[in-house]
Amino acid sequence: SAVISQKPSRDICQRGTSLTIQCQVDSQVTMMFWYRQQPGQSLTLIATANQGSEATYESGFVIDKFPISRPNLTFSTLTVSNMSPEDSSIYLCSVERPGRGDEQFFGPGTRLTVL
Amino acid sequence: RKEVEQDPGPFNVPEGATVAFNCTYSNSASQSFFWYRQDCRKEPKLLMSVYSSGNEDGRFTAQLNRASQYISLLIRDSKLSDSATYLCVVNTLMNTGFQKLVFGTGTRLLVSP
Repeated sequence: SAVISQKPSRDICQRGTSLTIQCQVDSQVTMMFWYRQQPGQSLTLIATANQGSEATYESGFVIDKFPISRPNLTFSTLTVSNMSPEDSSIYLCSVERPGRGDEQFFGPGTRLTVL
Repeated sequence: RKEVEQDPGPFNVPEGATVAFNCTYSNSASQSFFWYRQDCRKEPKLLMSVYSSGNEDGRFTAQLNRASQYISLLIRDSKLSDSATYLCVVNTLMNTGFQKLVFGTGTRLLVSP
C-alpha cells in the first residue's frame, strides 16, 4: 500500500483565517481524494483531485471554500478558507490502491479546531 | 434515508465472544463493498473487501446480499485489540465516471477482559 503523509497533523486556528493542508504520497497516483470527518460523524467526501484538471466537488462543497491544488502525481493541498467553528473537523486525504481502483488508503488526517 | 446505514452500537462483548455487525445500503448501482476499521483518533484502515460469495480472513467473515442490499461482518473469538469502530463502506460509480466511497457512521465495538 502507498505511504501517505499529511501536514499539519493538527492545528488550532482563529475564525476567519485559512489553513492549507498538504498530502504527500510516496508513489504516483492518478486520483487523490479529500474527506472530512466531523466530530462523532463518519467520513464525507469533499472532492476528487485528478492531476492536471480541476477538482470535482461533492454536493455541499464549493471551490471558493475548499480550493484544492494537484500540481503533480504525488502531492495535493486542500485549503479551508475563511474558517468558522463549524469547520472544526478531521480532514483526510486518500488514494486508490494500485490495481484496485475501488479501494482507498487514507493519510493520518489533520485535526483542525477553529476557535 | 442515509445511503449507508449501520447500528452505531456500542457493542460490548467479552473476550472470546462472537459478534456480528450489519449494514444496509440504498443505491442498487453500488459495485464494491468494504469494511474499514477506525481506531480512536486514527485514520480508517481497510479491513476487508466483501464479495458476493462471502469471504473469510482469519477470524473475520464478511457477507453480501445484493438482493436485500445488506452487508455483514462476523468476528469470532473477539480479542481486546478488536475494540474499534467498524465502518461499512460502499463504492458507487457516479455519472461523472468517477467512483465514490460512501461511508456508514460506523459501529463501535468494545471487547472487555
